[in-house]
Amino acid sequence: AQSVAQPEDQVNVAEGNPLTVKCTYSVSGNPYLFWYVQYPNRGLQFLLKYITGDNLVKGSYGFEAEFNKSQTSFHLKKPSALVSDSALYFCAVSYNSGAGSYQLTFGKGTKLSVIP
Amino acid sequence: SQTIHQWPATLVQPVGSPLSLECTVEGTSNPNLYWYRQAAGRGLQLLFYSVGIGQISSEVPQNLSASRPQDRQFILSSKKLLLSDSGFYLCAWSNRGSSSYNSPLHFGNGTRLTVT
Repeated sequence: AQSVAQPEDQVNVAEGNPLTVKCTYSVSGNPYLFWYVQYPNRGLQFLLKYITGDNLVKGSYGFEAEFNKSQTSFHLKKPSALVSDSALYFCAVSYNSGAGSYQLTFGKGTKLSVIP
Repeated sequence: SQTIHQWPATLVQPVGSPLSLECTVEGTSNPNLYWYRQAAGRGLQLLFYSVGIGQISSEVPQNLSASRPQDRQFILSSKKLLLSDSGFYLCAWSNRGSSSYNSPLHFGNGTRLTVT
C-alpha cells in the first residue's frame, strides 16, 4: 500500500533563510510525487511534480524539490523564504487504483511559518 | 484555460437537513472529478471520484452521496446531515486517460460546511 509521511507538523523559518519541508513516501512500483500548497480557506494549488528524469524538480513560486530514491524522500525546498510563503504544504503520491484510474494519497500537511 | 467553480463558499446547516454542493469545470472535457473533505484544516480524505457521467466510486462509507449528471458537473449530497459532516469540502479535477498517473489535481476554493 502507498503512504506519505510529513514528519513535521510545523516548520518555522526566518524570512530570507532557506527552507525545507520534508516528505518521505512508500509505494510499490515507480513513484509519482507531487507537492501542493494551501492558503487559508482556499483549495490546494499544485506546485511541482516528479515523474522521471532529473532528481531536482523546479516548480512554481521559486520552489524546488529533490527526489532521493535511496532515502525514499521528496523534500520541498526554497533558497530564500518569503513571508508570503507561509501556508500549509502537502506532499502526495500517485497510485494505480485499478481500471487505469490513478488516485493521490496525501500526507497530513506541514504548516510553514516564515517570520519577518 | 481551465477553471473550476465550487459553491457555496460557506454553509451553515442544522442537523438532519439535506445538503447539495455543486462543482463545475470549464475549459476541459472528460475530466476525472473528485470530492475531498478536509477536517480541522489538515488531512485530506477522498470521498468520491468519477471517471465519467454516472460513474461514481465511493472511498468511504457514510451518509453522503455524489452524482455526475453532466460531464463537467459533480454534486455532493446528503439526505440528513450529521454533526460529524462539518468540514471543508473540496472539489477537484484531473486529466483522464493514459497520462492520468502524472496529472496533477486542480482544486476549487472549497465549501466550509458547519452543521449545527
